[in-house]
Order: sequence, then C-alpha cells, then structure tokens
Amino acid sequence: GDSVTQMEGPVTLSEEAFLTINCTYTATGYPSLFWYVQYPGEGLQLLLKATKADDKGSNKGFEATYRKETTSFHLEKGSVQVSDSAVYFCALRRSNSGYALNFGKGTSLLVTP
Amino acid sequence: EADIYQTPRYLVIGTGKKITLECSQTMGHDKMYWYQQDPGMELHLIHYSYGVNSTEKGDLSSESTVSRIRTEHFPLTLESARPSHTSQYLCASSEQGTGANVLTFGAGSRLTVL
Repeated sequence: GDSVTQMEGPVTLSEEAFLTINCTYTATGYPSLFWYVQYPGEGLQLLLKATKADDKGSNKGFEATYRKETTSFHLEKGSVQVSDSAVYFCALRRSNSGYALNFGKGTSLLVTP
Repeated sequence: EADIYQTPRYLVIGTGKKITLECSQTMGHDKMYWYQQDPGMELHLIHYSYGVNSTEKGDLSSESTVSRIRTEHFPLTLESARPSHTSQYLCASSEQGTGANVLTFGAGSRLTVL
C-alpha cells in the first residue's frame, strides 16, 4: 500500500543552522503530500502541502518540493529557531479509507540556543 | 482557536472500566478520523467516517468502537479498558471532496490504563 518513509531522529541542531528532513513515498499515482508538526502535548498541525509534481509548499520559512522523479518531499528550513523544536511528520493522502493520511514515523527535532 | 475539540485531554483509569473519548468539530466537516499514536510517535488509523451514520474500521485492529449520529460529533468508546489500550488518541476531520484533503487535528486524549 501507499506509504511514507522519513529519516529517523532525533535531530539536534544549533539555532540558525540549516535543516533538512528527508521524506520519500511509495504510491500508485501521485498523491497529495504533506508535512505536519506536533509540539509537545498537542495534536498535529499542518505545516505545508503540495498537491502535484513540482509543487512547492511553504510556510513559516519551511519549504518542501514534490519531486516525482525521486518520489521525495524533503522538508527544509534555512535557519532554525529554538521554537522549531517539535516532531515533524511527512504524510500522503490515501486513495481509499476516506482519503485519510498515511504518516511517516516522525522525526524529532531539537534546536539548542 | 481550536475548531476540533477532544475531551478529556488526560485520563487515568483502572482495567475493566468503560470509557468514551469525545471529539467535536465546529467546521461542518463531513469526514472524521481517529488515529492512535503509540509511544514511538507512529500514527495508526483506527476508525473513520464519511458522514452521519457512516463508520469504518481503519488499518490497526482496535477493540474500540465509534458512532456518528451528528455531523459534528465522533466519540470513541472502549467497553472494557486494558493496559494495552494505553496510548494517545487523536481525532481529526476534513472537508468532503477529493482535493488535498487537509486533516485538522484535535489536541489529543492521552489514556493510561492501570
């Protein structure tokens, strides 16, 4: 079935460092792709999305480009802040099950001052 | 301001008790979902609904049941809780249609069964 694989964490970076979290997907067709973020003790929040190949999603300095050739949707940010410390989930929209999302296992990011 | 509400946020109960986790949304979304999040953070779809009177089981076998009598309400019930049910439960909703299907999540209910 459709699935997402993302790099395992935890990832620890210093403030203002460059961030990349890798995400690749396996799917029939070209599903919509998402990044969600989960802060401690909270639910998931949509960070950005892309609905077709070559689309770039962006929000709050984060970016990800839908790459059909490499079946990837890597998350990047040029300069992370302490407030970016959270767990990041890559996800794809399923073609069944009410168009639910399949999530990767999550990558924990810790940004230190 | 949250548009999807889950209660209780935290619950500690003994084995054998019946519990209901509440989920309500004010967005008029047709589709609703329950995910179980294990301690390793992985999310598993356990139930979903296309609308009123529609309920379906997800990928992960779960002893819980759900109901959808009103559009805005999608409660999850465990008839007899066990320690293996200890987990975080996340409710989500989305609009009808076949577009990107952005899910909006509640803050979660963290259940501990002793």
